[in-house]
Amino acid sequence: NAGVTQTPKFQVLKTGQSMTLQCAQDMNHEYMSWYRQDPGMGLRLIHYSVGAGITDQGEVPNGYNVSRSTTEDFPLRLLSAAPSQTSVYFCASSLAGGDTEAFFGQGTRLTVV
Amino acid sequence: DAKTTQPPSMDCAEGRAANLPCNHSTISGNEYVYWYRQIHSQGPQYIIHGLKNNETNEMASLIITEDRKSSTLILPHATLRDTAVYYCIVRVAGVYSSASKIIFGSGTRLSIRP
Repeated sequence: NAGVTQTPKFQVLKTGQSMTLQCAQDMNHEYMSWYRQDPGMGLRLIHYSVGAGITDQGEVPNGYNVSRSTTEDFPLRLLSAAPSQTSVYFCASSLAGGDTEAFFGQGTRLTVV
Repeated sequence: DAKTTQPPSMDCAEGRAANLPCNHSTISGNEYVYWYRQIHSQGPQYIIHGLKNNETNEMASLIITEDRKSSTLILPHATLRDTAVYYCIVRVAGVYSSASKIIFGSGTRLSIRP
């Protein structure tokens, strides 16, 4: 199994540009989520989904959009990138609820100049 | 906000047991305690989880107090490769709602000294 796959691994954007960070999992997990991690900080939840067609905001949702049209994919969209969105982004998936581990991708390092 | 409290940093001698504490005094009866670790800037890695009984796997042991308000992760024989940030998380069991979201706290930075 590939697990959780994030693309791209690295990205440089200019202020105001838009882009989509991709996240795909092949484990048929209902729950998927996006985090950002700034230098020296913990992971902060951006958006999450408990199934196809269902999304909800996390701790820091402003500036980001998500959709969940399939169980496998959970893309994160930046509509107008800002330098404050420079960060490492992690995607995670799991079966919904507890008693099950979450799997994380290896991250996308985004720099907005 | 995170529902757990951990010391910001700890250190341990290589070969000794590393005991990482976590306070989760507001934990609900249907919430599990999870531990993850993050090595350098990699994606977090699952270590262990439990509801109310102590748990052990090939990586670590999890000791949960009887009142479930705190827990301790034990790495029995720490090595240099165990140097990482360790996160203690509580998560609701088996629901398809916002209650199932995973919130990280600040974690404990564990340093293993040779």
